[in-house]
Amino acid sequence: RKEVEQDPGPFNVPEGATVAFNCTYSNSASQSFFWYRQDCRKEPKLLMSVYSSGNEDGRFTAQLNRASQYISLLIRDSKLSDSATYLCVVNRETSYDKVIFGPGTSLSVIP
Amino acid sequence: SQTIHQWPATLVQPVGSPLSLECTVEGTSNPNLYWYRQAAGRGLQLLFYSIGIDQISSEVPQNLSASRPQDRQFILSSKKLLLSDSGFYLCAWSRKNRVLNTEAFFGQGTRLTVV
Repeated sequence: RKEVEQDPGPFNVPEGATVAFNCTYSNSASQSFFWYRQDCRKEPKLLMSVYSSGNEDGRFTAQLNRASQYISLLIRDSKLSDSATYLCVVNRETSYDKVIFGPGTSLSVIP
Repeated sequence: SQTIHQWPATLVQPVGSPLSLECTVEGTSNPNLYWYRQAAGRGLQLLFYSIGIDQISSEVPQNLSASRPQDRQFILSSKKLLLSDSGFYLCAWSRKNRVLNTEAFFGQGTRLTVV
């Protein structure tokens, strides 16, 4: 089983729709969690950190469920510019502090 | 502030030729360093991971090697490139400091085409 798993999609949604991505991680020792966005032919960039209490940044809401070991990202009022691949990321923060990337979920927002 | 530099941005190399991609980080010390490869339309594949000078773990067997001769310098190499080495190569760094966030920061990537 991969350490971080995501539905690869693609998710094709109309403008204005709400879309949710889920991510599961296998190592219960994981300590920090992030969502990244990657545009085509570009490097991934941090979208937001995910905190235990959940956090919101404009149209984006991230949730963490430690008991079930999953992370979610909700995008409200989708824009064309939201089209990208969204990567779920965990950091075990063991002595090696390795960041683990999920395979990504592809989103296309359609006019 | 911290920055990461990766070069070149684009590279076309013949099969059998050597490869050297360099990545340097500024504004931080003792970072964790990573080399990833991404094939077209695919996810990130972790190639090498380093927690310190000359401390490198290889994540997948392959035609590539990595070195970390200085704290903030990470080099990806190959003696003889294969067609299958083509892809988008990304260098990244992350902090070890648990007080601050430990997310990864990426260089702009090198698009390698082996012909």
